[in-house]
Amino acid sequence: DIQMTQSPSSLSASVGDRVTITCRASQGIRNDLGWYQQKPGKAPKRLIYAASSLQSGVPSRFSGSGSGTEFTLTISSLQPEDFATYYCLQHNSYPLITFGQGTRLEIK
Amino acid sequence: EVQLVESGGGLVQPGGSLRLSCAASGFTFSSYEMNWVRQAPGKGLEWVSYISSSGSTIYYADSVKGRFTISRDNAKNSLYLQMNSLRAEDTAVYYCASVTTNPDYWGQGTLVTVSS
Repeated sequence: DIQMTQSPSSLSASVGDRVTITCRASQGIRNDLGWYQQKPGKAPKRLIYAASSLQSGVPSRFSGSGSGTEFTLTISSLQPEDFATYYCLQHNSYPLITFGQGTRLEIK
Repeated sequence: EVQLVESGGGLVQPGGSLRLSCAASGFTFSSYEMNWVRQAPGKGLEWVSYISSSGSTIYYADSVKGRFTISRDNAKNSLYLQMNSLRAEDTAVYYCASVTTNPDYWGQGTLVTVSS
């Protein structure tokens, strides 16, 4: 099974900050990775697919990078609506997909 | 407008059964592979089960294998999850979702609580 290790598990930041979240795969997954944002009581919303492609309608302050085993999600300038929990998801072993443990992004 | 609407959640005793349904509209459901994903209270997302567009190929997470059964009725645009021998650790919000399609589709979730 492919394991996804996401860090940090929580993060405090201020509006306007640049934030980076990392996911590491236990084996190479090419670019078969997505990043999701989830707000309380809501379903996850995909921000990035194929590791670095921005989902339609998602603000350009979100970006993804990486390939193989290490991936990052960067928010270039935090906005108030960005405070949420973020998850990576690998689908290289689809349909046996695996989520990262999540990163809770809180207001400092 | 694309919609996935889950139903069937509720309170059930340990060892009991529950059947979740997911009604799809606004897209060609019969062409989509579908999944169930769950989230325990205050915890992360966990993939539960997958079914191919025709229903011929099915996978389960080890945590539910032998207890849960996924199925679909393409004529009714519906996805199902039969959950038997429920345990306290199955308590979660259950989402139906296409997950890896572009765009991806998710329901709003239905809460299953396993407690005596």
